[in-house]
Amino acid sequence: DIVMTQSPLSLPVSPGEPASISCRSSQSLLHSNGYTYLEWYLQKPGQSPQLLIYLASSRAAGVPDRFSGSGSGIDFTLKINTVEAEDVGIYYCMQTLQVPLTFGGGTKVEIK
Amino acid sequence: EVQLVESGGGLVQPGGSLKLSCAASGFIFSDSAIHWVRQTSATGREWVGRVRMKTKNYATAYAESVKGRFTISRDDSKNTAFLQMSSLTTEDTAVYYCARHVEGSGRYFEYWGQGTPVTVSS
Repeated sequence: DIVMTQSPLSLPVSPGEPASISCRSSQSLLHSNGYTYLEWYLQKPGQSPQLLIYLASSRAAGVPDRFSGSGSGIDFTLKINTVEAEDVGIYYCMQTLQVPLTFGGGTKVEIK
Repeated sequence: EVQLVESGGGLVQPGGSLKLSCAASGFIFSDSAIHWVRQTSATGREWVGRVRMKTKNYATAYAESVKGRFTISRDDSKNTAFLQMSSLTTEDTAVYYCARHVEGSGRYFEYWGQGTPVTVSS
């Protein structure tokens, strides 16, 4: 199974400040088709998860452009340019390269 | 409006069985792979398994932790997917979500249900 390691566990951020979350996979998420199957999701309190980023760096429809994903191979990063109050929640990475699909442990973003 | 609505969760004794349903609307269910994911505060998120669409022969796959105990199926005529769980243990206590998975060059969970809680306890 592919192990996803995410850091930090908790991330207190002041509004307007940037934030960065890291995710590392135990093996490359690059498919033979050239695509990298790494997604980022946000689960806000009391809500279902919502897709932010897919294919490591493609922003999902309706996601504000302050969110960006980068990385390749085994190292990936989610960045929030300027955190807003509505961005609080648990962020987690996920690989869909192969079954079993696996998740990072999650990063709880909270406002200072 | 897209909706995925899970139902069937509840309290069950260890060794018991439970069948969850995932009713879909607002998108073409028959063209969709449906996955089940469970979540606990202690262990985080765990992929449970999936059933693909007819064009992929309704292929299923399961996490090792549930293989042989859980069965995922679907009824495209009712836009509903199912998770049949048996030989339940306390380790299966979680909130269970179904989700529509987009397959293709891009792969991602596009829609999620609100989840249904399952508690395995005597």
